[in-house]
Amino acid sequence: QKEVEQNSGPLSVPEGAIASLNCTYSDRVSQSFFWYRQYSGKSPELIMSIYSNGDKEDGRFTAQLNKASQYVSLLIRDSQPSDSATYLCAVILIQGAQKLVFGQGTRLTINP
Amino acid sequence: DGGITQSPKYLFRKEGQNVTLSCEQNLNHDAMYWYRQDPGQGLRLIYYSQIVNDFQKGDIAEGYSVSREKKESFPLTVTSAQKNPTAFYLCASAGAQANQPQHFGDGTRLSIL
Repeated sequence: QKEVEQNSGPLSVPEGAIASLNCTYSDRVSQSFFWYRQYSGKSPELIMSIYSNGDKEDGRFTAQLNKASQYVSLLIRDSQPSDSATYLCAVILIQGAQKLVFGQGTRLTINP
Repeated sequence: DGGITQSPKYLFRKEGQNVTLSCEQNLNHDAMYWYRQDPGQGLRLIYYSQIVNDFQKGDIAEGYSVSREKKESFPLTVTSAQKNPTAFYLCASAGAQANQPQHFGDGTRLSIL
């Protein structure tokens, strides 16, 4: 099992709908979780951090964390074409050497 | 403005040549990282440093070298031993606390002439 796993997509969502991006991780004791957005040809940009079970909202973005299921997700409400990008899930793994591990990313396309 | 500056933006390497990518940060971060990203792929860790004058190999260190003589600077040298250097290189930094995210520079795109 990969340490951090995402569906590579592409995920296609109509404009104005909710985009749902999912990520699972292998380390049961991980405490820190992040979502990055990467536009084509650009570097990753941090958009959400979450550390506790439940939901965390920031504007149109909501991160959801379920440590029991080892699952973290990102919801984007009222999707806009400018949300079209690759979204990277990243987890600080505790077991072994503590390190930030990135998933492969999910490519999201918002269709006008 | 605080941030991470990578230079150059584009770099071309001839056969047998070593090239050095610059990464400077003024965020007062202790930890710095180098990643390689190939088209359509995820990030792969090359080297990282958590303190001045100390660094560790990541998952794909062969053919690369780094130094960390100053807190602000973490240059990466792509040596002639790296046979497939064409990629997007990303430098990142993070604060000292264990739960801190990494923040990225704008990247350097390296190609072979």
